[in-house]
Amino acid sequence: AQKITQTQPGMFVQEKEAVTLDCTYDTSDPSYGLFWYKQPSSGEMIFLIYQGSYDQQNATEGRYSLNFQKARKSANLVISASQLGDSAMYFCAMREGETSGSRLTFGEGTQLTVNP
Amino acid sequence: GAVVSQHPSWVICKSGTSVKIECRSLDFQATTMFWYRQFPKQSLMLMATSNEGSKATYEQGVEKDKFLINHASLTLSTLTVTSAHPEDSSFYICSASKQDRNNEQFFGPGTRLTVL
Repeated sequence: AQKITQTQPGMFVQEKEAVTLDCTYDTSDPSYGLFWYKQPSSGEMIFLIYQGSYDQQNATEGRYSLNFQKARKSANLVISASQLGDSAMYFCAMREGETSGSRLTFGEGTQLTVNP
Repeated sequence: GAVVSQHPSWVICKSGTSVKIECRSLDFQATTMFWYRQFPKQSLMLMATSNEGSKATYEQGVEKDKFLINHASLTLSTLTVTSAHPEDSSFYICSASKQDRNNEQFFGPGTRLTVL
């Protein structure tokens, strides 16, 4: 079974608008973490935001916020005020368990294009 | 922040040769490092989990004799692609796990391997 699902292979947004990238996950582990990464064409993986399964509030980091709906097992990324430099591949990932040795499972990714 | 480096950033080699890729955590110690492989337009696929001082744990379908992993110190893990063939051409990315509140994984910039 797919553990992380990103249903949007590609998304387009106008500059300065907000965009939501979808991510759903599946796990029976009560303790897990959810991550979003940005991968520009250069290939580097840039950490954007983290949400722990026990966190009461949705995570926010600057223009990035995570809409965490635990009962629906979704962790959508919201990017506000899109910029041209936001054009990149975005990956949602889940870590099951709390230890540093716990592996990450990645979704298939969403290619975001910001139009001027 | 936490910085992870990879060397080389790109390599071209002839079929049948071996290639070593280094992954270093520059400003923190990492007992666990991870090696991923990424084909164009696809997601990251975990190849193996590298633990300092012990044998790596390989994912199903990954040939341990072909992809040799050594994690000899808390800041260095190496991946050696032995007897490389064109189908091994890919983008290889390492990550190092920092033991902090989130046990976040920090990614290296990746190594693009092309086997002729």
